[in-house]
This record gives sequence, C-alpha cells and structure tokens, in this order.
Amino acid sequence: EAGVAQSPRYKIIEKRQSVAFWCNPISGHATLYWYQQILGQGPKLLIQFQNNGVVDDSQLPKDRFSAERLKGVDSTLKIQPAKLEDSAVYLCASSRRGASSDTQYFGPGTRLTVL
Amino acid sequence: QKEVEQNSGPLSVPEGAIASLNCTYSDRGSQSFFWYRQYSGKSPELIMSIYSNGDKEDGRFTAQLNKASQYVSLLIRDSQPSDSATYLCAVTGYSSASKIIFGSGTRLSIRP
Repeated sequence: EAGVAQSPRYKIIEKRQSVAFWCNPISGHATLYWYQQILGQGPKLLIQFQNNGVVDDSQLPKDRFSAERLKGVDSTLKIQPAKLEDSAVYLCASSRRGASSDTQYFGPGTRLTVL
Repeated sequence: QKEVEQNSGPLSVPEGAIASLNCTYSDRGSQSFFWYRQYSGKSPELIMSIYSNGDKEDGRFTAQLNKASQYVSLLIRDSQPSDSATYLCAVTGYSSASKIIFGSGTRLSIRP
C-alpha cells in the first residue's frame, strides 16, 4: 500500500510571496489532515477534510491560508502572502474513516523556509 | 484551551534499560491516546494507541493510561540506540469532530 505523498519536499520563498503544497492520501482514506509543525513543537492541526467537506478548520489562519480537496482525494494547501512565522514543516496525514480512534498516517512533509 | 504536556527532555537512558516517557492532558473528556515516534527530519509514525485505563503491551513498548489522573505514559524496555527519537503524545476526544492535540514531544537519547 503506497503511503501519503507530498510535494514539494522543500520550499524557500521570500515573505509576502505565495506558496502551494500538494498531498495525495492513502488510497481509500476518507479523511485528510494538514498540520503545521514548527521546530521543537508538536504538529498543530490546520484543517481536516472528510471526503471533500471540511470537518475542522478552526486553527487555519484564513486571512492567508486556504485549502481544498475538490474530488475527495488529493488536496492543496496555499499560503498567500507568506510571513516569516510560517516557516515550518507542513505535514499531510490521512486516516480511513476519521474516527477519533483511527490511526493517522503521515506523509514526509514539506519544509517551508520564509526569508 | 485543551493541552497536552510533555517534558521536552532530552531524556538520556543507557542501552538495555527501561525508558519512561510521561504525558498529562487537560481535557477530562479525552477518549483516545496515541504515542508517535518522530526521528529527526522525518514525519511522525504511530507506535501505540490506548483507549481504556490500564496497560497495553506491544513488544518492547507498554502504554499506560490513568484517566482519573489524566496521565498517559510509554515504557520502552531493553532500549536500543534506534529508539533515540522524539516521542509525541497525542490525545483526541470522543467524536470525529474532536481534533487530535499533540504534545511538544520528549526527546529520548539512548546511550551505548
């Protein structure tokens, strides 16, 4: 079974520029999550999709971050404009059903550096 | 604000000894508890999940849950150098709308 795929793996941009990340979850997984992990901290959930609907986006800075999962499969996360404090690893994860007891499988992450 | 607290470490343990990692959480309604291992520069991977009070063993790993004390721990027996990593404790509520909350992790170092 192929794992969660993410691209790009690394991205360096200047502040005020825009950036987009892509995620393809494990086949058949209904739930997709985007996390932000700042160095030295645990992952923080930004947004959770169940199929192509949003379950939770309470911690997504909506003035600059957006995410979509149009066909209930892959997803993109966009930041526009980026700030210095957005430097972090952006992790995508998926789970089979989205139940609180479900195992989440993480992709390799995208390391974003904002200069 | 629901919180999950962990000692950041580093926790240094000699090879072959037992490593004990601890986690406390603030939400009494929490139902599912997870331990993830994260190697430097890599993504988290699930080691153990536990849902009811008591101990759960899987190979060299034992998770312990005490809901009354709002405390969950992970024991690693016969520690190996390959166990050196950051261990993240994560907690969710009952419903699928209850988002998972991660602690900041404990860095574990196994010394030969």
